[in-house]
Amino acid sequence: GENVEQHPSTLSVQEGDSAVIKCTYSDSASNYFPWYKQELGKRPQLIIDIRSNVGEKKDQRIAVTLNKTAKHFSLHITETQPEDSAVYFCAASDGSGTYKYIFGTGTRLKVLA
Amino acid sequence: DADVTQTPRNRITKTGKRIMLECSQTKGHDRMYWYRQDPGLGLRLIYYSFDVKDINKGEISDGYSVSRQAQAKFSLSLESAIPNQTALYFCATSDPRLGSNQPQHFGDGTRLSIL
Repeated sequence: GENVEQHPSTLSVQEGDSAVIKCTYSDSASNYFPWYKQELGKRPQLIIDIRSNVGEKKDQRIAVTLNKTAKHFSLHITETQPEDSAVYFCAASDGSGTYKYIFGTGTRLKVLA
Repeated sequence: DADVTQTPRNRITKTGKRIMLECSQTKGHDRMYWYRQDPGLGLRLIYYSFDVKDINKGEISDGYSVSRQAQAKFSLSLESAIPNQTALYFCATSDPRLGSNQPQHFGDGTRLSIL
């Protein structure tokens, strides 16, 4: 079946540094790529998304890049803060038009003060 | 604010029991989903529904069933619970009126423990 791989599984950075989380997908027909943040004990919440007709999207300290040829996309967080500590999930739409998403296995980000 | 509400938030039960997890939403979204979250495995789709008459299996539907009682309600049942169904369960919704692929909005989750 279709698959989304996410790396690394854990990431520790010093406050103020940048963090990068990478995902690769297998379905070449995927065209929508959301990123979710899940704080401890909370629900996953959308933080940014990108569609396949765009190569990069930014929202303040967060950016996502997409390389359709290589079938990978990345989340970039700059000037990290302690409140960025959470689990981050990437996802890719199922290219068969069923409006399902395939999620990565998550990255636990720790921002050290 | 429009929201996705899951009940119960926590449940402990015994092997072999029948359990129902409920999800209701006030977002007016047609699409609803049930996921299971296990450490290191991310979110895996159990069932999804695009309207009251449309129910589809996800990647891990064995041992589960669902009912879409109304546009706003989507319930997940474990007919005979087993310990490896211990997990965090999330309901989610999305709005097809905004276009093909849209973000999914999650409830707060139900933490289920089966002894």
